[in-house]
Amino acid sequence: AQTVTQSQPEMSVQEAETVTLSCTYDTSESDYYLFWYKQPPSRQMILVIRQEAYKQQNATENRFSVNFQKAAKSFSLKISDSQLGDAAMYFCAYLEGGSEKLVFGKGTKLTVNP
Amino acid sequence: NAGVTQTPKFQVLKTGQSMTLQCAQDMNHEYMSWYRQDPGMGLRLIHYSVGAGITDQGEVPNGYNVSRSTTEDFPLRLLSAAPSQTSVYFCASSYSRLAGVPTGELFFGEGSRLTVL
Repeated sequence: AQTVTQSQPEMSVQEAETVTLSCTYDTSESDYYLFWYKQPPSRQMILVIRQEAYKQQNATENRFSVNFQKAAKSFSLKISDSQLGDAAMYFCAYLEGGSEKLVFGKGTKLTVNP
Repeated sequence: NAGVTQTPKFQVLKTGQSMTLQCAQDMNHEYMSWYRQDPGMGLRLIHYSVGAGITDQGEVPNGYNVSRSTTEDFPLRLLSAAPSQTSVYFCASSYSRLAGVPTGELFFGEGSRLTVL
């Protein structure tokens, strides 16, 4: 079974600074997709960014970008110019191309200090 | 646009009681799923469905039943509640495929906090 590992249970960053959240995954498949989800204190899960494994270019969404290292099976999330509203749990997730099952990591709690 | 609606938001049960968590979506999504979220464990898939009449097990299906009689609804049944089922439950839905490509973009409900005493 595929596994997703987030090795940082908690991270903190100063407002306006940059932070990187780590994620590694284990798979033998070549067709898969990776995601970062955000869960603020409201508990509502929100998709932040998505990466297709067949694409070499790293995905970017405004202040959020990923560093996708396919050979190393690493998928880190970089948040630039951190804002107070970025404080949340962040979950890395994996989806095999032929599957419907999204597998989540255990999450990283991000604190943004003013 | 209601999105994904879960009821109830909070529930307290006694060991051995049964209950159903309701989930409804109005986005015509084929895919629906139930996750449970526990501290330090992330989200774990309980059951999922890729369309009406089709369900399958996820990582932690024991103690839970589901059915999918319509596209809109995907209830989760606890047959005999146990304290280990104390958790926050999320229902999520999505388009299974867009142009043949899985989307992976799940739309989540607000969660249901269940406590089993």
